[in-house]
Amino acid sequence: DGGITQSPKYLFRKEGQNVTLSCEQNLNHDAMYWYRQDPGQGLRLIYYSQIVNDFQKGDIAEGYSVSREKKESFPLTVTSAQKNPTAFYLCASSPRTSGSPWNEQFFGPGTRLTVL
Amino acid sequence: DAKTTQPTSMDCAEGRAANLPCNHSTISGNEYVYWYRQIHSQGPQYIIHGLKNNETNEMASLIITEDRKSSTLILPHATLRDTAVYYCIVRPHTGTASKLTFGTGTRLQVTL
Repeated sequence: DGGITQSPKYLFRKEGQNVTLSCEQNLNHDAMYWYRQDPGQGLRLIYYSQIVNDFQKGDIAEGYSVSREKKESFPLTVTSAQKNPTAFYLCASSPRTSGSPWNEQFFGPGTRLTVL
Repeated sequence: DAKTTQPTSMDCAEGRAANLPCNHSTISGNEYVYWYRQIHSQGPQYIIHGLKNNETNEMASLIITEDRKSSTLILPHATLRDTAVYYCIVRPHTGTASKLTFGTGTRLQVTL
């Protein structure tokens, strides 16, 4: 089955530790995204990547880092510099749209990170 | 991206039509209206999008006013599984990756 997987579903870490969230897609999509969602709020963009080995900061990139070494993978590291890391993290992907009228984003199931 | 305004919450009886409004008075000519929904603790799911014509798919219908300053998402026969937060988003219909700006959405509660 094609789709986006995020693991784990729940993650607990101690304050001051870096943690890496996994995101994998087998949809052959060029673009991938990371969003953060806090309770009762909409999604906010952290980072996105249009192609391998390239990525751009979103609205709230401070305290986060990403890599895009492979097309199907876009891991997100939450560093100790992120002041309020406890949140629901969502990964998404979308196909390259040149010649296509629009680019629907497909979302993974999310990872709920709790920093103790 | 243009800002959108949606009611915080709505209720709908199962089997009835759910009409979810969205105001986007500052929308520009090249911006489309997208609707996503998010069921509790899951990733958002695309529903429908449109530019100026009304659109319909297997999930919903989208009615956009002639001046494009507002739109309504219609779920024709709401079921309990349609209980979710519905997000109205406007953004350019570009050929490259671009972010979706999510507001707080409308929490739709479908009841028996």
